[in-house]
Amino acid sequence: NAGVTQTPKFQVLKTGQSMTLQCAQDMNHEYMSWYRQDPGMGLRLIHYSVGAGITDQGEVPNGYNVSRSTTEDFPLRLLSAAPSQTSVYFCASRPRGPSNQPQHFGDGTRLSIL
Amino acid sequence: EDQVTQSPEALRLQEGESSSLNCSYTVSGLRGLFWYRQDPGKGPEFLFTLYSAGEEKEKERLKATLTKKESFLHITAPKPEDSATYLCAVQAKNNDMRFGAGTRLTVKP
Repeated sequence: NAGVTQTPKFQVLKTGQSMTLQCAQDMNHEYMSWYRQDPGMGLRLIHYSVGAGITDQGEVPNGYNVSRSTTEDFPLRLLSAAPSQTSVYFCASRPRGPSNQPQHFGDGTRLSIL
Repeated sequence: EDQVTQSPEALRLQEGESSSLNCSYTVSGLRGLFWYRQDPGKGPEFLFTLYSAGEEKEKERLKATLTKKESFLHITAPKPEDSATYLCAVQAKNNDMRFGAGTRLTVKP
């Protein structure tokens, strides 16, 4: 099993550009989430989804959009990139059931906004 | 507001020198406390979940413990391959997950 796969691994954007970070999991997990990781700070939740067609905002949702059309995929869209969105982005998933189950993480997308 | 604080920020040990990492938390109704390991350029890798005060879990050289205010990750006789950043996270009753900033552990041979 591949687990959680994120693409691309690295990306450089100019301010104002848009892009989509891809996330796919092959474990049939219902719950998927996006985090950003910045130096000196813990992972912060951007958006999450409890199943296909259902998404909700996390702690830092501004400037990001998500959709969940299939169980496997959960893309994160940057609408108009800003330097403050320079970060490492992680996608995670966990199975249906109690919410206090551990999440499985991808290896991240390193994004720089110039 | 739910908070997670990890200490120290960085820890350098000699191979075989045992030590502990701390995770202090304030949360409304703890549903679970998680420990993850993160290697450079990789995503967090799950180690343990603790659900209630007094619980302990072990895996190889690692042992995690939990009280009502903090968790410790004890590392016994560490090896260089234990070098990584260790992350603590708590899940509250409202299902919010909060991560600490991590402890960067370096074990020198």
